[in-house]
Amino acid sequence: KAGVTQTPRYLIKTRGQQVTLSCSPISGHRSVSWYQQTPGQGLQFLFEYFSETQRNKGNFPGRFSGRQFSNSRSEMNVSTLELGDSALYLCASSRGGGLSDEQYFGPGTRLTVT
Amino acid sequence: AQKVTQAQTEISVVEKEDVTLDCVYETRDTTYYLFWYKQPPSGELVFLIRRNSFDEQNEISGRYSWNFQKSTSSFNFTITASQVVDSAVYFCALSGAGANSKLTFGKGITLSVRP
Repeated sequence: KAGVTQTPRYLIKTRGQQVTLSCSPISGHRSVSWYQQTPGQGLQFLFEYFSETQRNKGNFPGRFSGRQFSNSRSEMNVSTLELGDSALYLCASSRGGGLSDEQYFGPGTRLTVT
Repeated sequence: AQKVTQAQTEISVVEKEDVTLDCVYETRDTTYYLFWYKQPPSGELVFLIRRNSFDEQNEISGRYSWNFQKSTSSFNFTITASQVVDSAVYFCALSGAGANSKLTFGKGITLSVRP
């Protein structure tokens, strides 16, 4: 079974630009969640999608948004990028039990904002 | 509010030593779930274990064992006879059971196993 895939793996953007990250879950998994990992703040939950609906949201500004498609693939968008958005963005999928289920993580997208 | 504290930030051991990674949590939920994840240098988090709040049995999986104690709100992880491949960052995490539950991670413990 293929694991969670994320594209692109690396990205360099300039302040003020916007970026879209993509995540393909494990086949059969219907829940996709996103996390930001930085050296200072650690791993922080962004949001979770299930059946194309945002089911749960962390404490991030509205510049961070996402969506899920009917095939469970998910995208995350960050608008008006700030230097502080430089981070490893991890996507995880689970069967559908939500964040109390075991999460299977992708390799992440490393975003650098200059 | 949920909180996970991993007081140890970095641990360095010599191969074959036993090592225990501590995790202390706070939650007001009566039903909750605890996790351990491993993040090797490649960056991808790997699921290790999930326990619910009603199951306090200790668990052993090969060289790995977990000690869950509700009385002290702790969920500690022990690696027996450590190996170089165990070098990674280890995260403890906590979630509630409801649909609106968040998944809260500790800051992580960097374990270095020297040959």
